[in-house]
Amino acid sequence: QVQLQESGPGLVKPSQTLSLTCTVSGGSISSGGYYWSWIRQHPGKGLEWIGYIYYSGSTYYNPSLKSRVTISVDTSKNQFSLKLSSVTAADTAVYYCARGVGYCSGGSCYYYGMDVWGQGTTVTVSS
Amino acid sequence: SYELTQPPSVSVSPGQTARITCSGDALPKQYAYWYQQKPGQAPVLVIYKDSERPSGIPERFSGSSSGTTVTLTISGVQAEDEADYYCQSADSSGTFPWVFGGGTKLTVL
Repeated sequence: QVQLQESGPGLVKPSQTLSLTCTVSGGSISSGGYYWSWIRQHPGKGLEWIGYIYYSGSTYYNPSLKSRVTISVDTSKNQFSLKLSSVTAADTAVYYCARGVGYCSGGSCYYYGMDVWGQGTTVTVSS
Repeated sequence: SYELTQPPSVSVSPGQTARITCSGDALPKQYAYWYQQKPGQAPVLVIYKDSERPSGIPERFSGSSSGTTVTLTISGVQAEDEADYYCQSADSSGTFPWVFGGGTKLTVL
C-alpha cells in the first residue's frame, strides 16, 4: 500500500528557509484523483493545514501562510516538497505529509479526506 | 478567518456512547471530515463527507450533520478509542476542506 515518508533538517535557524521532502512509495504520485498535502502541529496543539499540490503542479495554500509557502512536485522521484521561508520560533512543529483523495470534474470538485499520512518529522527553529 | 469549534474534552465510560461536536457557520453547505490522533502518532481519517466511513474503520464510528453542527459519534466506546479527534471542513469561499477544528480530547474513564 501507499506509504509516505518525510525527510529534511530537524533544526533550522530563524529567518532561514525550512525545506522538507515527502517520498511516496507503493504508488505513483502522478496518479489522478489525489492531492498531496502538508500539515503541521505545534507542540501540544492542534493541526494546521499548510497547503496541497496536484501532480499537475496546481497548488492551494493556507491563506495565513501563503506568502511564505511553496509546495512543488517531482514526479520523476515520486516526491513532493515544502519550502517555508523566513521562519521564526512560531514555525517549530511536527510536519506531516499526507495523501488526500479528491478530483475536479465539470467545474465541481469532490473530496474524500486525507487517507494516508507520513509519520511526521519534528522541525525546531532555533539559533 | 473561518473557525470550527470543538469542545476541548469529552469523557465517557467504556461501553457508553461518546458524541463530539464541531460547529461552524459554513457547515450547512460544506462536508466535514473527522480524524483520530493518538499520542505520538499521525492522524487517521475516521469519517469523510459527514457520515462516510473509510474501509477498516470500526462500525462504532459514525458521523452526522445538522445545521451548523456536525457530530462524531462513537458507540460502545473502547479504551483504545481514547485519543484526540479533529474535525475539518471548508469555509464558505470554496469546497476544499482546509480548516481544522481545535480538537477534542476523548477520555475513556
